[in-house]
Amino acid sequence: DAKTTQPPSMDCAEGRAANLPCNHSTISGNEYVYWYRQIHSQGPQYIIHGLKNNETNEMASLIITEDRKSSTLILPHATLRDTAVYYCIVRDSNYQLIWGAGTKLIIKP
Amino acid sequence: DAGITQSPRHKVTETGTPVTLRCHQTENHRYMYWYRQDPGHGLRLIHYSYGVKDTDKGEVSDGYSVSRSKTEDFLLTLESATSSQTSVYFCAISADRMSTEQYFGPGTRLTVT
Repeated sequence: DAKTTQPPSMDCAEGRAANLPCNHSTISGNEYVYWYRQIHSQGPQYIIHGLKNNETNEMASLIITEDRKSSTLILPHATLRDTAVYYCIVRDSNYQLIWGAGTKLIIKP
Repeated sequence: DAGITQSPRHKVTETGTPVTLRCHQTENHRYMYWYRQDPGHGLRLIHYSYGVKDTDKGEVSDGYSVSRSKTEDFLLTLESATSSQTSVYFCAISADRMSTEQYFGPGTRLTVT
């Protein structure tokens, strides 16, 4: 079973920041949180990961709460090409990625 | 983009027939994975490999077998396909078990009639 909880869908206006929440209340102290996205049935694509500090790369920012029970992926200026399913993921005890159903993000013009 | 190809990209087969899907990589990564994805769901791990001839089961391995005779190739076999195995199959690779990134192939859409 997925160890993360995400809303099934979200909308965002083009050019605005998209904020995608994720709950991972059972995460352990040394477990990373990973974000991937999947555009229209293509293979998933890695976005970013973090442990406890906020992280930023060329694609997105990741904000992790101090208690590490939740995180938010931020796409600062969403474009139509960011329409995708976004997955918040942690690993299981065998180090395998555990995928939930993700959040379907629709960017509207 | 990571050099990962899957073949075939689409296949329709009948119940009870054997099917083999191929994943080929040019990155020389040690780990290779087979996932399946069903409508409205995330990916579920079928089998993975951590080296030539070294494989292990994932979450949904029943009805599937794998082989890895070369670093670059990872084969997924459905010995006797069933309608419940109709799905999209993704191959992925990573440099090691704890790599932050897995790189995914384009997927194979399999329909079992």
